[in-house]
Amino acid sequence: EVQLVESGGGLVKPGGSLRLSCAASGFTFINAWMSWVRQAPGKGLEWIGRIKDKTEGETADYAAPVEGRFTISRDDSKNTLFLQMNSLKTDDTAVYYCTADWAGGPGVWGQGTLVTVSS
Amino acid sequence: DVVMTQSPLSLPVTLGQPASISCRSSQSLVYSDGNTYLSWFHQRPGQSPRRLIYKVSSRDSGVPDRFSGSGSGTDFTLKISRVEAEDVGVYYCMQGSHWFTFGQGTKLEIK
Repeated sequence: EVQLVESGGGLVKPGGSLRLSCAASGFTFINAWMSWVRQAPGKGLEWIGRIKDKTEGETADYAAPVEGRFTISRDDSKNTLFLQMNSLKTDDTAVYYCTADWAGGPGVWGQGTLVTVSS
Repeated sequence: DVVMTQSPLSLPVTLGQPASISCRSSQSLVYSDGNTYLSWFHQRPGQSPRRLIYKVSSRDSGVPDRFSGSGSGTDFTLKISRVEAEDVGVYYCMQGSHWFTFGQGTKLEIK
């Protein structure tokens, strides 16, 4: 069964940092392009970034609101995706979903992990 | 950036009746490889989104055939032939031709 399990969410103060993880199973992670999508409370979906596979140089792209503050990385030996979030703002409060992308979009989603940025 | 605009934003439907959601992009979604990367997602309350349709009209595995997608260029439509109770929730379109952008969402409820 294809599965994505996020972890690492929690409460953090503005200006702080947090690292999310996403454990993948049931598919060939090394070949997968992976994304992070977030959803603020009561709001819609917002794509925040994507990392390609090793054959594409593990290139990462980011949405404007997080560029320069967030970094996506992967450890193919552990089938794990990461999201390092620095300089967090209250607007970053959201459920963060890890997704496995194919055919031009997120085909599989994790259950999400809640990040709350508050003083 | 590509802007995705859905309508309506709220959709009350009687059980067994059809439903239709429109999605318009601010620029053509035809990618350089000739494909059009337009997807549809369904999110039930308290759950993660689930993709229903990819590349405009292809259904993901396990998606009932009452769901269909159509369109081209900048105008796309999701149709549900006969709405069932489990179809309630929010539907999002998403373009994947120029990174990813989601529409605002359409909330489907049963009348």
